[in-house]
Amino acid sequence: SAVISQKPSRDICQRGTSLTIQCQVDSQVTMMFWYRQQPGQSLTLIATANQGSEATYESGFVIDKFPISRPNLTFSTLTVSNMSPEDSSIYLCSATGGASYNEQFFGPGTRLTVL
Amino acid sequence: DAKTTQPTSMDCAEGRAANLPCNHSTISGNEYVYWYRQIHSQGPQYIIHGLKNNETNEMASLIITEDRKSSTLILPHATLRDTAVYYCIVRVAKSTDKLIFGTGTRLQVFP
Repeated sequence: SAVISQKPSRDICQRGTSLTIQCQVDSQVTMMFWYRQQPGQSLTLIATANQGSEATYESGFVIDKFPISRPNLTFSTLTVSNMSPEDSSIYLCSATGGASYNEQFFGPGTRLTVL
Repeated sequence: DAKTTQPTSMDCAEGRAANLPCNHSTISGNEYVYWYRQIHSQGPQYIIHGLKNNETNEMASLIITEDRKSSTLILPHATLRDTAVYYCIVRVAKSTDKLIFGTGTRLQVFP
């Protein structure tokens, strides 16, 4: 199974600033995804991180607010830009493919608090 | 993707079987049923998946009705560590497919 790590594990940020979250997978994977989990809620898919091309965003999420990079098959970043308190959530990275065809693995999440 | 319906919450006594139902009446012929769980403050964890036959692994059993419109996840001997939110998801079994999460069932295992 793939092991996914995220940095930072948590952060407290000021309104108007930006935070970049890193996601590292210990093996090459086909697809990487970014989710948001607001307090007490289920997971909402933000976007699919495409290797070597622009990410594919879900309805309600835009590149200017959540720019995503995926420079190779094991790494991706999500930036939360111009943050407001409404962005306070857990952000989770996930991956699938490679040696794990049917499973989708998740990182431990990044807990973000915006003041 | 087809949608699923799950009860909001369930309780189960430790050591007893936990049976978590899921309705997916609009499931397509090429869609699988997946189960994940999320223990508090952790990322979701894969449990099991199936197409139309019953499946069993070291964590759980998955029973899918013959018409595939519903399924049940069975934890045969629930422990306190099984307290979590359980998500039933249907999707085509390609490695590139994204998972769309519903609201899930919050299972509370009590002593």
